[in-house]
Amino acid sequence: KAGVTQTPRYLIKTRGQQVTLSCSPISGHRSVSWYQQTPGQGLQFLFEYFSETQRNKGNFPGRFSGRQFSNSRSEMNVSTLELGDSALYLCASSFMGAEAFFGQGTRLTVV
Amino acid sequence: DQQVKQNSPSLSVQEGRISILNCDYTNSMFDYFLWYKKYPAEGPTFLISISSIKDKNEDGRFTVFLNKSAKHLSLHIVPSQPGDSAVYFCAAIPGGGTSYGKLTFGQGTILTVHP
Repeated sequence: KAGVTQTPRYLIKTRGQQVTLSCSPISGHRSVSWYQQTPGQGLQFLFEYFSETQRNKGNFPGRFSGRQFSNSRSEMNVSTLELGDSALYLCASSFMGAEAFFGQGTRLTVV
Repeated sequence: DQQVKQNSPSLSVQEGRISILNCDYTNSMFDYFLWYKKYPAEGPTFLISISSIKDKNEDGRFTVFLNKSAKHLSLHIVPSQPGDSAVYFCAAIPGGGTSYGKLTFGQGTILTVHP
């Protein structure tokens, strides 16, 4: 069974640009969550989607948004990038939302 | 407000001995707890979980203990192996069902197992 796949693995963007990250969950998993990992803040929850609906949201500004498609694949978008958005962005999928299985992450660098 | 705390940034043990990683939480709404292992530049790998209705769960070399009254959980690894060297995170989920998928993580503990 294939794991959680995130693309791209690495990304370099300029301040002010926007970026879209993609996540393909494990087959059969309907819950997809996104997390940001930075050295200073650790692993922080961004949002969770279940059956194409945002079910939970963390404390991030509106520049961070996401969506989920009917095949459970999810995208996360960050607009008007800031230097502080440089981080490892992790996607996790789960069957019912408890044990979450993570992808390899997308390393975003904003310059 | 750090709702899940791992007060030991690092732990060093000898191969074959027991590793004990600790985690404290403050939110009494948490009712499901998980441990993850993480290598640099990779996603966390799920290790073991425990529901608040239990006080112990075992899976091979890994055992998680939960003390609800103390709001404390611990992960025991016996015997420890050099390949266990990684960052270990504890995470918690509130009850109610609708908060599934929203994990609150501790800051992590770096475990180093020496041969």
